Amino acid sequence: GAVVSQHPSRVICKSGTSVKIECRSLDFQATTMFWYRQFPKQSLMLMATSNEGSKATYEQGVEKDKFLINHASLTLSTLTVTSAHPEDSSFYICSAVGTPKGLLGEETQYFGPGTRLLVL
Amino acid sequence: KQEVTQIPAALSVPEGENLVLNCSFTDSAIYNLQWFRQDPGKGLTSLLLIQSSQREQTSGRLNASLDKSSGRSTLYIAASQPGDSATYLCAVSSSNTGKLIFGQGTTLQVKP
Repeated sequence: GAVVSQHPSRVICKSGTSVKIECRSLDFQATTMFWYRQFPKQSLMLMATSNEGSKATYEQGVEKDKFLINHASLTLSTLTVTSAHPEDSSFYICSAVGTPKGLLGEETQYFGPGTRLLVL
Repeated sequence: KQEVTQIPAALSVPEGENLVLNCSFTDSAIYNLQWFRQDPGKGLTSLLLIQSSQREQTSGRLNASLDKSSGRSTLYIAASQPGDSATYLCAVSSSNTGKLIFGQGTTLQVKP
């Protein structure tokens, strides 16, 4: 079963509004989560690294004031797209690094199912 | 700056064929390399992970090889099936931080 969930799976909003996307690790604690963005027919681009209890680290070219990331607990990271515009329409995917309960071995990165954002 | 390239961008084969997907990366100093599968509108499913010290990994009909010195990896799919139709992504990590650099993907269609 899925070990990382995202909510919502799909969201449509008006231009200028803010949208919050949640990423949860199920059955394991994730000190590190990543946020990626994928435009149609393109690959995933890393936006930021989210660390529990500290500020997120953003990749070059990603506006930290527009894409607010909060990693408030070891199982939850949120990405808020502030004042969304049509060019922010994309598929947002998170991943979480950890070891699910019942499994042994090194930490593994698990990806969420993605959130499709459409800004009108 | 690490760049990952996948060739071909798209591939269509009849069912039963063996096929090879290619991935190349510009900086050979990698920590590991992964192959993922992505179905349309869905998230990623990890297929195989190769550590930098390894040469290949196998899982069922899938075999991935890694040649770090030449900056190349291949994903071999044996006896392809229509259910294999998806986009296959190659990603490299340059450290143990988990940050991944993805290729553009190869979209595979296996026709019945």
